[in-house]
Amino acid sequence: GAGVSQSPSNKVTEKGKDVELRCDPISGHTALYWYRQSLGQGLEFLIYFQGNSAPDKSGLPSDRFSAERTGGSVSTLTIQRTQQEDSAVYLCASSSRQGVTGELFFGEGSRLTVL
Amino acid sequence: RKEVEQDPGPFNVPEGATVAFNCTYSNSASQSFFWYRQDCRKEPKLLMSVYSSGNEDGRFTAQLNRASQYISLLIRDSKLSDSATYLCVVRDGGFKTIFGAGTRLFVKA
Repeated sequence: GAGVSQSPSNKVTEKGKDVELRCDPISGHTALYWYRQSLGQGLEFLIYFQGNSAPDKSGLPSDRFSAERTGGSVSTLTIQRTQQEDSAVYLCASSSRQGVTGELFFGEGSRLTVL
Repeated sequence: RKEVEQDPGPFNVPEGATVAFNCTYSNSASQSFFWYRQDCRKEPKLLMSVYSSGNEDGRFTAQLNRASQYISLLIRDSKLSDSATYLCVVRDGGFKTIFGAGTRLFVKA
């Protein structure tokens, strides 16, 4: 498809397990973002990648969270030793380099439930 | 202090009403400003960019006051289909993009 693709769409895991969430951005988009949205809350910035530059990790809530982007395309967000407070929808977005005005296109999100 | 703050809402208005949302941001170096719309259990989508001179798109008008670090969105002649959460979005000189917590709007018949 032409849009941002995320997988899995739903993930239920037990506390303490590790999870990986995947994002496939729109082809050619150089910027990729991860956000977290808890129920009824706004989007919390986690990390973004821009081309070959070092990622801005300033939003990652703890060292249990990490993300990588391979080949300037697909990205994986990893949460180690999951906690119940990690339960949220994890949204990925991509943007083309159109100055600072580029629109963010979001995937449908990965809903994570930690039991 | 949050980087982007919005009216918490919810706003409950009748069809045809005019409603205004406000937003303030803390980073004076911010360069780009947007309003996104998010429907229930859906991903956010761009509603409109916000320019210093103010801009209009049909029933929607956005304004920016850089001196006060304030952004607004005005919706005229509200429709039932306008019911959604409206997210104020601010981007710095790079690509870091911060979303406000959103303001929920309910338009009633």
